[in-house]
Amino acid sequence: AQSVSQHNHHVILSEAASLELGCNYSYGGTVNLFWYVQYPGQHLQLLLKYFSGDPLVKGIKGFEAEFIKSKFSFNLRKPSVQWSDTAEYFCAVTINAGNMLTFGGGTRLMVKP
Amino acid sequence: DTGVSQDPRHKITKRGQNVTFRCDPISEHNRLYWYRQTLGQGPEFLTYFQNEAQLEKSRLLSDRFSAERPKGSFSTLEIQRTEQGDSAMYLCATGVGTNTGELFFGEGSRLTVL
Repeated sequence: AQSVSQHNHHVILSEAASLELGCNYSYGGTVNLFWYVQYPGQHLQLLLKYFSGDPLVKGIKGFEAEFIKSKFSFNLRKPSVQWSDTAEYFCAVTINAGNMLTFGGGTRLMVKP
Repeated sequence: DTGVSQDPRHKITKRGQNVTFRCDPISEHNRLYWYRQTLGQGPEFLTYFQNEAQLEKSRLLSDRFSAERPKGSFSTLEIQRTEQGDSAMYLCATGVGTNTGELFFGEGSRLTVL
């Protein structure tokens, strides 16, 4: 069965710092990759997705992620974080366009003003 | 407003009682999922419906857990004989079309078993 690992459980940054959150998955076949975000007190929502094509994908609010197949990674990046980016971020994967979205354990990001 | 509505938002029950959660999806979404999320963990897949058909239920945590979607619209998740370990957030999510990972989540139903 596939699994998703997020190595950073808690990240604290100051505003304007650059962000990179790690995500690795364990499946050698065709994957679709996702980052979801949960702002404090709100529901999970899709941040960005990768299905095929350009491995650098851009999402909402200036986030981007790069799919590196050889490293089984899909790291999330943002050049300059804002206080409003404080949230929990979840990496997720489906395999072979299947119906089960498997989530990582999440990374809680705190941005200090 | 996410469009996916869950009820109740919070449920406190005593061990051994049965509980039922309801999910009302976005109207045109034919796919409906239930996930469980415990503190410090990511959501864990439980079961999946396409319209009224339950296509995956092997991940339901035990035979105390069951889910239905009788008319392909709202869904219910029932937990019988609750245990303290069932305390968690139960999330409903829906989707449409072939982009199976693009889900719209509800705000969840938090269960506390005393």
